[in-house]
Amino acid sequence: DQQVKQNSPSLSVQEGRISILNCDYTNSMFDYFLWYKKYPAEGPTFLISISSIKDKNEDGRFTVFLNKSAKHLSLHIVPSQPGDSAVYFCAASANTGNQFYFGTGTSLTVIP
Amino acid sequence: ETGVTQTPRHLVMGMTNKKSLKCEQHLGHNAMYWYKQSAKKPLELMFVYNFKEQTENNSVPSRFSPECPNSSHLFLHLHTLQPEDSALYLCASSPSTGLDSPLHFGNGTRLTVT
Repeated sequence: DQQVKQNSPSLSVQEGRISILNCDYTNSMFDYFLWYKKYPAEGPTFLISISSIKDKNEDGRFTVFLNKSAKHLSLHIVPSQPGDSAVYFCAASANTGNQFYFGTGTSLTVIP
Repeated sequence: ETGVTQTPRHLVMGMTNKKSLKCEQHLGHNAMYWYKQSAKKPLELMFVYNFKEQTENNSVPSRFSPECPNSSHLFLHLHTLQPEDSALYLCASSPSTGLDSPLHFGNGTRLTVT
């Protein structure tokens, strides 16, 4: 059973607007969360992370929000740029566990 | 340049062939990983090596055989694969196997089994 879910396979956003990518998880032991970005024919690259002691982490245009009670995290990209068009994966881990668990990804298209 | 280099980028093999995937990392990391990405499925952990020692085998069939001669190199030897093994195989590295720092991925090998 998937412990990390990205229920939106794709998302289209106009350039300059906000992109919001969502991720839900089921394991309450998860305490570290990451977002990766993947361009075609390349491997995933790390984008931003957040630990469970925080509810927000910001890095430039990228902000990750964590709602532990809802077991939900989201990635906000503001303003969105055409170069942001990629597949975005969320991942989670527990310090008592032995691996990262990944979602299936959301394909973001930013329309110029 | 990702710091993690995988070769070949593409591989087509028959079910009776033997082939190997290679991964090299230039980041000074101590942990290396093999992941499998099938269409519309999450990345699936296969193997973990820490300081050249295998610490995790995620119930992977024996037709996949990993080898880690040193902390910078990782191989995945393939033998008598099935068509359902066709997927993107990603190598990754991290400073340690602690789950509080991100993985650094290579660009993957796209494997097709015919």
